[in-house]
Amino acid sequence: AQRVTQPEKLLSVFKGAPVELKCNYSYSGSPELFWYVQYSRQRLQLLLRHISRESIKGFTADLNKGETSFHLKKPFAQEEDSAMYYCALSLSSGSARQLTFGSGTQLTVLP
Amino acid sequence: EPEVTQTPSHQVTQMGQEVILRCVPISNHLYFYWYRQILGQKVEFLVSFYNNEISEKSEIFDDQFSVERPDGSNFTLKIRSTKLEDSAMYFCASSKYNQPQHFGDGTRLSIL
Repeated sequence: AQRVTQPEKLLSVFKGAPVELKCNYSYSGSPELFWYVQYSRQRLQLLLRHISRESIKGFTADLNKGETSFHLKKPFAQEEDSAMYYCALSLSSGSARQLTFGSGTQLTVLP
Repeated sequence: EPEVTQTPSHQVTQMGQEVILRCVPISNHLYFYWYRQILGQKVEFLVSFYNNEISEKSEIFDDQFSVERPDGSNFTLKIRSTKLEDSAMYFCASSKYNQPQHFGDGTRLSIL
Protein backbone atom coordinates (compact mmCIF):
# COMPACT_ATOMS: atom_id res chain seq x y z
CA ALA A 1 0.00 0.00 0.00
CA GLN A 2 1.14 3.53 -0.67
CA ARG A 3 2.32 5.80 2.14
CA VAL A 4 3.43 9.43 2.46
CA THR A 5 5.66 10.61 5.28
CA GLN A 6 6.23 14.21 6.33
CA PRO A 7 8.69 13.96 9.19
CA GLU A 8 8.28 17.50 10.52
CA LYS A 9 4.96 18.44 12.17
CA LEU A 10 6.19 21.98 12.82
CA LEU A 11 8.78 24.10 11.04
CA SER A 12 9.74 27.68 11.81
CA VAL A 13 12.04 29.86 9.71
CA PHE A 14 12.79 33.55 9.59
CA LYS A 15 11.58 35.73 6.75
CA GLY A 16 14.07 35.67 3.90
CA ALA A 17 15.58 32.34 4.94
CA PRO A 18 15.41 29.25 2.72
CA VAL A 19 12.81 26.67 3.59
CA GLU A 20 12.53 22.97 2.77
CA LEU A 21 9.56 20.84 3.72
CA LYS A 22 10.35 17.16 3.49
CA CYS A 23 8.17 14.50 1.92
CA ASN A 24 9.00 10.86 1.37
CA TYR A 25 6.74 8.28 -0.16
CA SER A 26 6.57 4.55 -0.52
CA TYR A 27 4.90 2.96 -3.49
CA SER A 28 6.19 0.29 -5.81
CA GLY A 29 4.79 1.83 -9.00
CA SER A 30 4.98 5.30 -10.53
CA PRO A 31 2.86 7.65 -8.47
CA GLU A 32 1.90 11.23 -9.09
CA LEU A 33 2.95 13.63 -6.32
CA PHE A 34 1.34 16.86 -5.19
CA TRP A 35 1.76 19.56 -2.61
CA TYR A 36 -1.42 21.07 -1.18
CA VAL A 37 -1.47 24.13 1.08
CA GLN A 38 -4.05 25.20 3.64
CA TYR A 39 -3.86 28.81 4.80
CA SER A 40 -5.54 29.73 8.06
CA ARG A 41 -9.32 29.20 7.83
CA GLN A 42 -9.15 28.40 4.11
CA ARG A 43 -9.64 25.29 2.03
CA LEU A 44 -6.97 22.90 0.82
CA GLN A 45 -5.49 24.33 -2.38
CA LEU A 46 -3.21 22.72 -4.90
CA LEU A 47 0.24 24.26 -4.77
CA LEU A 48 2.31 22.01 -7.04
CA ARG A 49 1.95 18.91 -9.17
CA HIS A 50 5.16 17.08 -10.01
CA ILE A 51 4.35 16.48 -13.66
CA SER A 52 3.81 20.21 -14.23
CA ARG A 53 7.33 21.11 -13.12
CA GLU A 54 6.15 24.64 -12.36
CA SER A 55 7.21 27.14 -9.74
CA ILE A 56 4.23 28.52 -7.81
CA LYS A 57 4.66 31.41 -5.35
CA GLY A 58 8.40 30.76 -5.55
CA PHE A 59 8.04 27.14 -4.42
CA THR A 60 9.53 24.23 -6.35
CA ALA A 61 9.56 20.49 -5.78
CA ASP A 62 11.49 17.84 -7.63
CA LEU A 63 10.54 14.21 -7.68
CA ASN A 64 13.55 12.07 -6.75
CA LYS A 65 12.61 8.49 -7.58
CA GLY A 66 15.88 7.11 -6.24
CA GLU A 67 15.26 8.61 -2.80
CA THR A 68 11.44 8.41 -3.15
CA SER A 69 11.22 12.03 -2.10
CA PHE A 70 9.33 15.11 -3.20
CA HIS A 71 10.65 17.88 -0.97
CA LEU A 72 9.17 21.37 -1.26
CA LYS A 73 11.64 24.25 -1.38
CA LYS A 74 11.64 28.01 -1.48
CA PRO A 75 14.83 30.07 -1.43
CA PHE A 76 13.42 33.08 0.47
CA ALA A 77 10.46 32.49 2.76
CA GLN A 78 7.79 35.19 3.21
CA GLU A 79 5.45 35.70 6.16
CA GLU A 80 2.46 34.97 3.93
CA ASP A 81 3.88 31.47 3.35
CA SER A 82 2.85 30.53 6.89
CA ALA A 83 0.36 27.70 6.45
CA MET A 84 -0.18 23.96 6.70
CA TYR A 85 1.47 22.04 3.85
CA TYR A 86 0.41 18.55 2.83
CA CYS A 87 2.27 16.25 0.51
CA ALA A 88 -0.01 13.81 -1.33
CA LEU A 89 0.30 10.93 -3.72
CA SER A 90 -2.06 9.41 -6.24
CA LEU A 91 -1.59 6.32 -8.32
CA SER A 92 -0.92 7.03 -11.96
CA SER A 93 -3.47 4.52 -13.20
CA GLY A 94 -7.23 4.52 -12.84
CA SER A 95 -9.70 7.24 -13.67
CA ALA A 96 -10.86 8.39 -10.21
CA ARG A 97 -7.63 8.47 -8.28
CA GLN A 98 -7.66 8.73 -4.54
CA LEU A 99 -5.11 10.91 -2.82
CA THR A 100 -2.99 9.56 0.02
CA PHE A 101 -1.90 12.41 2.26
CA GLY A 102 0.99 12.90 4.60
CA SER A 103 0.31 14.19 8.09
CA GLY A 104 1.22 17.74 7.14
CA THR A 105 3.83 20.29 8.19
CA GLN A 106 2.81 23.55 9.85
CA LEU A 107 5.17 26.21 8.50
CA THR A 108 5.59 29.43 10.43
CA VAL A 109 7.62 32.23 8.88
CA LEU A 110 8.80 34.62 11.56
CA PRO A 111 9.33 38.34 10.91
CA GLU B 1 -12.95 30.90 -10.19
CA PRO B 2 -15.50 28.12 -9.60
CA GLU B 3 -15.38 26.40 -6.23
CA VAL B 4 -16.60 23.26 -4.55
CA THR B 5 -19.19 24.23 -1.95
CA GLN B 6 -20.13 22.23 1.13
CA THR B 7 -23.05 22.59 3.52
CA PRO B 8 -23.44 22.85 6.40
CA SER B 9 -20.14 24.20 7.66
CA HIS B 10 -20.80 22.64 11.07
CA GLN B 11 -23.19 19.81 11.94
CA VAL B 12 -23.91 18.66 15.48
CA THR B 13 -25.76 15.34 15.79
CA GLN B 14 -26.67 12.89 18.52
CA MET B 15 -24.98 9.50 18.40
CA GLY B 16 -27.08 6.98 16.50
CA GLN B 17 -28.73 9.59 14.30
CA GLU B 18 -28.41 9.76 10.54
CA VAL B 19 -26.55 12.68 9.00
CA ILE B 20 -26.29 13.89 5.40
CA LEU B 21 -23.40 16.08 4.31
CA ARG B 22 -23.89 17.98 1.09
CA CYS B 23 -21.50 19.07 -1.62
CA VAL B 24 -21.87 20.90 -4.89
CA PRO B 25 -18.88 19.98 -7.08
CA ILE B 26 -17.53 22.24 -9.81
CA SER B 27 -20.01 22.04 -12.64
CA ASN B 28 -17.86 20.55 -15.42
CA HIS B 29 -16.09 18.04 -13.17
CA LEU B 30 -16.89 14.36 -13.50
CA TYR B 31 -15.05 12.78 -10.58
CA PHE B 32 -16.16 13.30 -6.98
CA TYR B 33 -14.54 12.39 -3.70
CA TRP B 34 -15.06 12.42 0.05
CA TYR B 35 -12.23 12.61 2.55
CA ARG B 36 -12.25 13.01 6.29
CA GLN B 37 -9.79 14.39 8.84
CA ILE B 38 -10.14 13.44 12.47
CA LEU B 39 -8.73 16.16 14.71
CA GLY B 40 -4.94 15.93 14.83
CA GLN B 41 -4.76 13.18 12.21
CA LYS B 42 -4.17 12.85 8.48
CA VAL B 43 -6.65 13.61 5.74
CA GLU B 44 -8.00 10.15 4.79
CA PHE B 45 -9.69 9.05 1.59
CA LEU B 46 -13.21 7.68 1.97
CA VAL B 47 -14.70 7.19 -1.49
CA SER B 48 -14.54 8.26 -5.12
CA PHE B 49 -17.52 8.43 -7.49
CA TYR B 50 -17.75 8.53 -11.26
CA ASN B 51 -20.52 7.95 -13.76
CA ASN B 52 -23.07 7.47 -11.00
CA GLU B 53 -21.25 4.75 -9.20
CA ILE B 54 -18.53 4.26 -6.63
CA SER B 55 -15.08 3.89 -8.23
CA GLU B 56 -13.03 3.19 -5.12
CA LYS B 57 -13.64 3.11 -1.41
CA SER B 58 -11.41 2.76 1.60
CA GLU B 59 -11.74 0.43 4.57
CA ILE B 60 -13.26 3.33 6.50
CA PHE B 61 -16.21 3.46 4.09
CA ASP B 62 -18.22 0.63 5.61
CA ASP B 63 -21.91 -0.18 5.40
CA GLN B 64 -22.94 2.79 7.50
CA PHE B 65 -21.70 5.17 4.77
CA SER B 66 -23.31 5.83 1.42
CA VAL B 67 -22.95 8.41 -1.35
CA GLU B 68 -25.42 9.66 -3.83
CA ARG B 69 -25.73 12.14 -6.65
CA PRO B 70 -29.46 12.82 -6.35
CA ASP B 71 -29.57 15.43 -9.12
CA GLY B 72 -27.24 17.06 -11.60
CA SER B 73 -25.45 19.21 -9.05
CA ASN B 74 -25.38 17.74 -5.53
CA PHE B 75 -23.13 14.99 -4.20
CA THR B 76 -24.03 13.73 -0.72
CA LEU B 77 -22.43 11.61 1.96
CA LYS B 78 -24.81 9.85 4.34
CA ILE B 79 -23.81 8.29 7.62
CA ARG B 80 -26.66 6.03 8.72
CA SER B 81 -26.11 5.64 12.44
CA THR B 82 -23.42 7.96 13.67
CA LYS B 83 -20.82 6.97 16.25
CA LEU B 84 -18.64 9.18 18.43
CA GLU B 85 -15.62 8.27 16.29
CA ASP B 86 -17.31 9.75 13.21
CA SER B 87 -16.57 13.20 14.59
CA ALA B 88 -14.23 14.76 12.04
CA MET B 89 -13.88 17.32 9.29
CA TYR B 90 -15.34 15.96 6.05
CA PHE B 91 -14.00 17.31 2.77
CA CYS B 92 -15.59 16.98 -0.63
CA ALA B 93 -13.45 17.26 -3.76
CA SER B 94 -14.02 17.12 -7.49
CA SER B 95 -11.85 16.90 -10.57
CA LYS B 96 -11.77 16.52 -14.31
CA TYR B 97 -10.14 13.47 -15.85
CA ASN B 98 -6.44 13.29 -14.97
CA GLN B 99 -6.54 16.71 -13.32
CA PRO B 100 -5.87 17.70 -9.69
CA GLN B 101 -8.68 17.61 -7.19
CA HIS B 102 -10.34 20.81 -5.97
CA PHE B 103 -11.49 20.77 -2.36
CA GLY B 104 -14.39 22.37 -0.54
CA ASP B 105 -14.11 24.17 2.80
CA GLY B 106 -15.25 21.08 4.67
CA THR B 107 -18.05 20.25 7.10
CA ARG B 108 -17.16 19.86 10.73
CA LEU B 109 -19.22 16.96 12.10
CA SER B 110 -19.56 16.74 15.87
CA ILE B 111 -21.24 13.65 17.36
CA LEU B 112 -22.56 14.00 20.91
